Amino acid sequence: KQEVTQIPAALSVPEGENLVLNCSFTDSAIYNLQWFRQDPGKGLTSLLLIQSSQREQTSGRLNASLDKSSGRSTLYIAASQPGDSATYLCAVSSSGNTPLVFGKGTRLSVIA
Amino acid sequence: NAGVMQNPRHLVRRRGQEARLRCSPMKGHSHVYWYRQLPEEGLKFMVYLQKENIIDESGMPKERFSAEFPKEGPSILRIQQVVRGDSAAYFCASTPGLRETQYFGPGTRLLVL
Repeated sequence: KQEVTQIPAALSVPEGENLVLNCSFTDSAIYNLQWFRQDPGKGLTSLLLIQSSQREQTSGRLNASLDKSSGRSTLYIAASQPGDSATYLCAVSSSGNTPLVFGKGTRLSVIA
Repeated sequence: NAGVMQNPRHLVRRRGQEARLRCSPMKGHSHVYWYRQLPEEGLKFMVYLQKENIIDESGMPKERFSAEFPKEGPSILRIQQVVRGDSAAYFCASTPGLRETQYFGPGTRLLVL
């Protein structure tokens, strides 16, 4: 049974700092991995999707890497801003039509 | 192209009442997933439906919960005789088909008094 763990559970950093969020999964036979952002009381916004054949994806100040063999992914946020404050969720899909398995998220606070 | 829509956004029910949550997928999407997020927990899969078919309901509680996705109209998640433990955010996601990204709705926040 796939399990996804995110560390740390919460993180507080000063504005401008670069930071890394970690995600690990127990079953390396994944189809893809996705990072989401969730603002309080809101829905999920997809940030980056990495297919199992890919090593990383980049979007603006965000870079996500995937090491399938070790069951790990990282989300790197460069030059953090207060507007980046949110909960970041990692989710994996084991095949094309199976549901996503989510971690509990990392709650990020960027202090101005 | 409107995104995934869910209504109501907030729903308050007393113990024993019924809750009906609606999800309208994105245009052209025929696959719908329902997830539940309990307080301080991650999202957990409940059920996966295609038009008029339940494909996977392995995450759905055996009693009181049911889901449908009719040929016409939104997908409905129905919770009968709600209890306080049903209080959670319920999200639906839609995709146009297999191996496609899931797009999430804003969620329905259910509070059972």
